[in-house]
Amino acid sequence: ETGVTQTPRHLVMGMTNKKSLKCEQHLGHNAMYWYKQSAKKPLELMFVYSLEERVENNSVPSRFSPECPNSSHLFLHLHTLQPEDSALYLCASSQEPGPTYEQYFGPGTRLTVT
Amino acid sequence: AQSVAQPEDQVNVAEGNPLTVKCTYSVSGNPYLFWYVQYPNRGLQFLLKYITGDNLVKGSYGFEAEFNKSQTSFHLKKPSALVSDSALYFCAVRDRDSGYALNFGKGTSLLVTP
Repeated sequence: ETGVTQTPRHLVMGMTNKKSLKCEQHLGHNAMYWYKQSAKKPLELMFVYSLEERVENNSVPSRFSPECPNSSHLFLHLHTLQPEDSALYLCASSQEPGPTYEQYFGPGTRLTVT
Repeated sequence: AQSVAQPEDQVNVAEGNPLTVKCTYSVSGNPYLFWYVQYPNRGLQFLLKYITGDNLVKGSYGFEAEFNKSQTSFHLKKPSALVSDSALYFCAVRDRDSGYALNFGKGTSLLVTP
């Protein structure tokens, strides 16, 4: 999957740690997204960026802090997480943020909070 | 409010037989419908979408889906299943008034047996 890459692929962190997830898209898209995928639950949209501007924050706790320095890169900064935050975090991008554009996903970061 | 239902947690089909993965939706406006596939330890891959026009949409890997407005359905189909089609399939919907959220169903696990 060279279109959207995510690092690291796996992350184990304690509740007092600070870590960051990185996403990069090589598709020339203008919109980027963070999703959370938990077992037995539908994907949850966390944040949306359009041309580096955050346009949606879906009631996400402040212990998750996104950053979009340019249209190709997206970060998710993590601090003082809870065990229930353990999940697969997926980054996606689309040509534009509008409803007719399909989203392209990265492979995800499997996060375990101990 | 918009929502997607995938009534089957799992679908089993023999290789070479036709397959159908069901999806129904609820939106307030005209729907924009998507199918994605997720292989183990991978992100979601876009298969196809319906925006407007012909009700039968063809996508990647020989998959197609039929939009049925009266039944509010968008079932995924393939004439002849392959063992390599075994994966988790997600239906998703947006409409013009739904903001940035791509609403996903909970997923259907497809198992194709030799």
